[in-house]
Amino acid sequence: AQTVTQSQPEMSVQEAETVTLSCTYDTSENNYYLFWYKQPPSRQMILVIRQEAYKQQNATENRFSVNFQKAAKSFSLKISDSQLGDTAMYFCAFSVPDKLIFGTGTRLQVFP
Amino acid sequence: DGGITQSPKYLFRKEGQNVTLSCEQNLNHDAMYWYRQDPGQGLRLIYYSQIVNDFQKGDIAEGYSVSREKKESFPLTVTSAQKNPTAFYLCASTWTNAEETQYFGPGTRLLVL
Repeated sequence: AQTVTQSQPEMSVQEAETVTLSCTYDTSENNYYLFWYKQPPSRQMILVIRQEAYKQQNATENRFSVNFQKAAKSFSLKISDSQLGDTAMYFCAFSVPDKLIFGTGTRLQVFP
Repeated sequence: DGGITQSPKYLFRKEGQNVTLSCEQNLNHDAMYWYRQDPGQGLRLIYYSQIVNDFQKGDIAEGYSVSREKKESFPLTVTSAQKNPTAFYLCASTWTNAEETQYFGPGTRLLVL
């Protein structure tokens, strides 16, 4: 079965600090894409970062970066210099032919 | 402005009633998707369509139906056969397939009276 596991249902971090959200997945595919999506209280899903599995270099997007370990099937998200606006649900997902498989999410609270 | 719109924002369904959720996009995307989100769970795929007049069942298609008569539109009907329809429904689109970034609409909250 193709699954995504986010083992941290809730996390908190103080403003300006760094936090890492974990994600592991299971697939027999060799070529796929990995995503982190953010869902703030407005419930609008927003792409945070995307990683191609065939690329060894970790993707970065401003304060957001990933640690992609293909052999371990791990895809963690690091948020640096956390801001109050980062408070949201974060979903990890990977693509299989024709669809995305989502994890259950991590609720991140950023405190002032 | 380019984007995805969903309507209505809130929808109430009575027992035995079919209701239709609207999803429209002006991004010229070929592929469109419907997801269901329940508390404490991730998004689960209901139906998807990669081309006009064609669509496929996702993981939880029972009790739902869709149509794709126009590239821009992908309405979802929640039928009376769906016994637990209360959820948040999200529509998404992408250029061709799931390897690409999916762009999401603002969602529709469906409640049962």
